[in-house]
Amino acid sequence: GAGVSQSPRYKVAKRGQDVALRCDPISGHVSLFWYQQALGQGPEFLTYFQNEAQLDKSGLPSDRFFAERPEGSVSTLKIQRTQQEDSAVYLCASSSGLAGVSGELFFGEGSRLTVL
Amino acid sequence: QQQVKQSPQSLIVQKGGISIINCAYENTAFDYFPWYQQFPGKGPALLIAIRPDVSEKKEGRFTISFNKSAKQFSLHIMDSQPGDSATYFCAALSIGDSGAGSYQLTFGKGTKLSVIP
Repeated sequence: GAGVSQSPRYKVAKRGQDVALRCDPISGHVSLFWYQQALGQGPEFLTYFQNEAQLDKSGLPSDRFFAERPEGSVSTLKIQRTQQEDSAVYLCASSSGLAGVSGELFFGEGSRLTVL
Repeated sequence: QQQVKQSPQSLIVQKGGISIINCAYENTAFDYFPWYQQFPGKGPALLIAIRPDVSEKKEGRFTISFNKSAKQFSLHIMDSQPGDSATYFCAALSIGDSGAGSYQLTFGKGTKLSVIP
């Protein structure tokens, strides 16, 4: 498809397990973002990539969260030693060029993580 | 610290009526204000956006009104339809502290709109 693709769509993890969430952005999009959306809340910024460079990771809640985009395309968000408070929908978004120019981010459908 | 405050939390409107959602922001560095629409199980999708040098922007049935001095902006949905039933998020854009070109969207908490026939 032509949109942002995320996998898995649903993930159930036991507390303490590591999880990896994948994002395939729209082809050619330079900018890639990860957001966390708790139930009934707005998305909250986690991190931003421009090509393979992680330019802003100020939103990552702890050092258990790690994101990478090694070849400037697919990105992976990894959460180590998951905790119940990590339960949320993780949204990936991409944008052509610099997101700030237009502000339009194209979001994927998200990966819903439930930590038991 | 909630930098974008959105109200109401939920809204019920009759078909054909006007839906109004309000947002207020604190950070004067914000320079772009988009509205996103989100259906259940889907990601947010850009609906309409405005820059602070414009007081109003209209696209079809959707209008943004912007008051820079009051640091407030609102979304008006005219002739609301059942298909408009969704959660609406206002957002604001600022350049991050990295200085290298980080663009963080700050979202409000959302308004769940229900349009009843």
